[in-house]
Amino acid sequence: GQQVMQIPQYQHVQEGEDFTTYCNSSTTLSNIQWYKQRPGGHPVFLIQLVKSGEVKKQKRLTFQFGEAKKNSSLHITATQTTDVGTYFCAGLAWGNEKLTFGTGTRLTIIP
Amino acid sequence: DAGITQSPRHKVTETGTPVTLRCHQTENHRYMYWYRQDPGHGLRLIHYSYGVKDTDKGEVSDGYSVSRSKTEDFLLTLESATSSQTSVYFCAIRHGRIANTGELFFGEGSRLTVL
Repeated sequence: GQQVMQIPQYQHVQEGEDFTTYCNSSTTLSNIQWYKQRPGGHPVFLIQLVKSGEVKKQKRLTFQFGEAKKNSSLHITATQTTDVGTYFCAGLAWGNEKLTFGTGTRLTIIP
Repeated sequence: DAGITQSPRHKVTETGTPVTLRCHQTENHRYMYWYRQDPGHGLRLIHYSYGVKDTDKGEVSDGYSVSRSKTEDFLLTLESATSSQTSVYFCAIRHGRIANTGELFFGEGSRLTVL
């Protein structure tokens, strides 16, 4: 079955440093989504990427979808304490109604 | 707020007892999902529904059953709970009418402990 791997599993950064998490799928995806889950909370949708090579930005967050539509990345510039949480990618394969989540990257910020 | 409520939010039960978790939505969405979340595993799909009485299995469906007798309610049942089913369970609805698109909106989660 479809597998979505995400690295790293944990990341500790000083406040103000950049952060990147990577997502790789075993199959070609029709689209990929990113979610953020604050400690003790529920996952919240951030963005969806659909096109090959697509890049989208949300303030300090930059999302990329690979040319082959099998990988993606999330980059946060100049992290802030509000960025703390676990970031999940989730891939949807063609002809499939099941969204497969990566294992997540837990980001902690050192003030 | 996507109008999703899960109940109960917390439950402690004993091995071998039946447990039912309820997910209720107020926005008439077609697709509903049950995920479980465990450390190191992320979110894993248990079952999902694409309409009333239309359900399908996810990647970790063993030991779970679901029912959707009306659009607004999606029930997850553990017929005989085991300690391995101790987890946080999230219900989600999917916006969008077209397959292969649409983000998920999650409920607050139900924390289940099986002793």
